[in-house]
Amino acid sequence: NAGVTQTPKFQVLKTGQSMTLQCAQDMNHNSMYWYRQDPGMGLRLIYYSASEGTTDKGEVPNGYNVSRLNKREFSLRLESAAPSQTSVYFCASSGDRVNYEQYFGPGTRLTVT
Amino acid sequence: DQQVKQNSPSLSVQEGRISILNCDYTNSMFDYFLWYKKYPAEGPTFLISISSIKDKNEDGRFTVFLNKSAKHLSLHIVPSQPGDSAVYFCAATEGGSGNTGKLIFGQGTTLQVKP
Repeated sequence: NAGVTQTPKFQVLKTGQSMTLQCAQDMNHNSMYWYRQDPGMGLRLIYYSASEGTTDKGEVPNGYNVSRLNKREFSLRLESAAPSQTSVYFCASSGDRVNYEQYFGPGTRLTVT
Repeated sequence: DQQVKQNSPSLSVQEGRISILNCDYTNSMFDYFLWYKKYPAEGPTFLISISSIKDKNEDGRFTVFLNKSAKHLSLHIVPSQPGDSAVYFCAATEGGSGNTGKLIFGQGTTLQVKP
């Protein structure tokens, strides 16, 4: 039982390049989330998927797209990377609407030069 | 518009003493609150939570207090241990049948427990 896995762990992009961050969970959770963490800003929600087949914008969606490929997988795509997207990206999942606990992956550290 | 605020970026305490981390919120629709702990190069992990129908929840050395009228919650760690040194995030969500499970996080407080 791996929980939430993310690939890659590190990535360096040049401005204008594209890439997809992958996330998978093996806990049979319905909901999945993408966050970015920046110094002094906490964790900010980029996009989320409340259930398979649905996606919605979070607080900071501009410059990103997402795909809920199936119940297990939720990917985040940067179509044209910008230096402002340099950040640590976390994927999370949850299945419990009673205590709302989310389980996080280990993160992807992205640098855009 | 920061709906969840942790106004102390850092806190340093001596081993064995109490650590108190604070969190304020502005949205009166929030009715469930969580604390997460994060070590460097790892994802956040759930620590403790509290529903708005309670004013206190305790789990071992960790206690969360909720003051709804002041829109304020705090996390107490007693006694503090060096292994508690980490970044602590508070988070909040609106409950109800239409809730999507979205959490709104504060900026985080870095706790250092000195031996």
